[in-house]
Amino acid sequence: SQQGEEDPQALSIQEGENATMNCSYKTSINNLQWYRQNSGRGLVHLILIRSNEREKHSGRLRVTLDTSKKSSSLLITASRAADTASYFCATTGGGSYIPTFGRGTSLIVHP
Amino acid sequence: DAGVTQSPTHLIKTRGQQVTLRCSPKSGHDTVSWYQQALGQGPQFIFQYYEEEERQRGNFPDRFSGHQFPNYSSELNVNALLLGDSALYLCASSFGTAKETQYFGPGTRLLVL
Repeated sequence: SQQGEEDPQALSIQEGENATMNCSYKTSINNLQWYRQNSGRGLVHLILIRSNEREKHSGRLRVTLDTSKKSSSLLITASRAADTASYFCATTGGGSYIPTFGRGTSLIVHP
Repeated sequence: DAGVTQSPTHLIKTRGQQVTLRCSPKSGHDTVSWYQQALGQGPQFIFQYYEEEERQRGNFPDRFSGHQFPNYSSELNVNALLLGDSALYLCASSFGTAKETQYFGPGTRLLVL
């Protein structure tokens, strides 16, 4: 079973535009992470936000977390063709440190 | 600093056969987790090894088994392969089991015919 559900399933934008992906989850969490996966290869960790944090930045990435709505968003500003990838949210909680992944959002950035 | 490595990169097997996948963790890491990722899905946790023992297990049948060696490398074994076992198998490592952030390898693509 998958805890997080990303929305939209697919997103197509032009280079330079911003990309926003959302993640909703069902049970309480300790933290939420976002990962990137290029062309069915390994996942790369992007950012972790803890349940007591509301917003976090890393370069062109901005992550927000709303625990009352059980949702998170990932914003990529000024997107580049190299940002084309699948993006997954993963939650941990309930005493486990094992992340539970959603199905991902497929992002295509057109040059 | 060597990252997580996996072998082989691709594998084709037939139903009923057995397969062994290998993983070497990132330098300095002692914990290895295995995930199965079907096409169009997110990774699903199979199990985690620490100190050569299986510490946690996901919802996978006993056909999936593993091993961790003294040098922290790990193997994933799958017996009696089914068509539905076709997937990308990902290995991830961390230092200790109480670490949410894991470092992933490039994966092994398994196709069962």
